Amino acid sequence: DIQMTQSPSSLSASVGDRVTITCQASQDISKYLNWFQQKAGTAPKLLIYDASHLRTGVPSRFSGSGSGTDFTFTISSLQPEDVGVYYCQQRDSLSALTFGGGTKVEIK
Amino acid sequence: QVQLVESGGGVVQPGRSLRLSCEASGYTFSSHGMHWVRQAPGKGLEWVAVIWFDGSYRYYADSVKGRFTVSRDNSRNTVYLQMDSLRAEDTAVYYCARILGTIPDLWGLGTLVTVSS
Repeated sequence: DIQMTQSPSSLSASVGDRVTITCQASQDISKYLNWFQQKAGTAPKLLIYDASHLRTGVPSRFSGSGSGTDFTFTISSLQPEDVGVYYCQQRDSLSALTFGGGTKVEIK
Repeated sequence: QVQLVESGGGVVQPGRSLRLSCEASGYTFSSHGMHWVRQAPGKGLEWVAVIWFDGSYRYYADSVKGRFTVSRDNSRNTVYLQMDSLRAEDTAVYYCARILGTIPDLWGLGTLVTVSS
């Protein structure tokens, strides 16, 4: 099974700061890595798919990069509405999904 | 309006059964596979099961294999999760999610299952 290691588990930053989250896969997953945002009490929302593609309608301050085993998710200028938990996710050859442990983002 | 709506959650005793439903609207349901994903209180996301667009392939997480069954009725635009022999550790919000290509792009609001005596 492919394991996804996400870090940090939590962070606190100021409005306007650049925020970076990393996700490492236990084996090569090519570009097949997605990023989700989950606000309190709501369902996860897809932000980035296939490592670097911004979903339509998602603000451009969100971005993703990486391939193989190492991936990065960035918020270029943190906004108050970005508070929540962010998850990376990959899909294996049997169509099972694996999620990273999540990163809780708070405003300092 | 493109959406998924889960139902069927509630409080159930350990060892009992529950069936969750997820009704889709606003898109061609029969063209897309579906996942079930759960989230225990205060915890992260855990994948549960997947079913292909035509029901020809189903796969389960080890934690639910042999106890949960995923099915779908394309005439009703609905996917189901039959949960048997429920355990306390199955307590979670259960989400269904549409598969677009390989990506779970659309999620329902979730339904809470509480397993407790």
